Amino acid sequence: GAVVSQHPSRVICKSGTSVKIECRSLDFQATTMFWYRQFPKQSLMLMATSNEGSKATYEQGVEKDKFLINHASLTLSTLTVTSAHPEDSSFYICSGQDSYEQYFGPGTRLTVT
Amino acid sequence: AQKVTQAQTEISVVEKEDVTLDCVYETRDTTYYLFWYKQPPSGELVFLIRRNSFDEQNEISGRYSWNFQKSTSSFNFTITASQVVDSAVYFCALSEAETSYDKVIFGPGTSLSVIP
Repeated sequence: GAVVSQHPSRVICKSGTSVKIECRSLDFQATTMFWYRQFPKQSLMLMATSNEGSKATYEQGVEKDKFLINHASLTLSTLTVTSAHPEDSSFYICSGQDSYEQYFGPGTRLTVT
Repeated sequence: AQKVTQAQTEISVVEKEDVTLDCVYETRDTTYYLFWYKQPPSGELVFLIRRNSFDEQNEISGRYSWNFQKSTSSFNFTITASQVVDSAVYFCALSEAETSYDKVIFGPGTSLSVIP
């Protein structure tokens, strides 16, 4: 199947700083990418849907000014957590869509101290 | 309303036992997809199966089998002769065509522990 990578796999940052997470589709072009957040022992919650070249669509309750999503190319989407706080600590997973299939990245574990 | 329900939060079985993970979904769409994913402790999601709403045939893949019943809106997953490596969290998920083929809505997950 198709491969989606995420970088970094783990990141620790200080409260108040911003952190960028990259999501790349390695062997296919993803016109649509999705960002999910997963708190410990909970399910994956969709944060936003991004289409290449246009603004992301955020799910209800997700602050678009805090979670900046950029989908500048068909193989790269980035999620920037701005002014991170400890409550933003979570596992962030992206996925890329190829036709009707969705392929998930390995996830990024963010810890805000 | 929760669209995907997995009533079993945690299950423990002894190795070699069979185990069934329940999934009940809710949708008004006639066209939709159902999925099962495995999430081992490493966190990476492992795709197990996708089934579209028009295909009610049960499926078997090795020790895994799935029972899709539209009449009860259920898509249950059975592992036969469980192994320790099956220990993981399993998510059932739904994607609705009329809303969007794209969005995958995950159930709360069932944590399976297989004890040696």
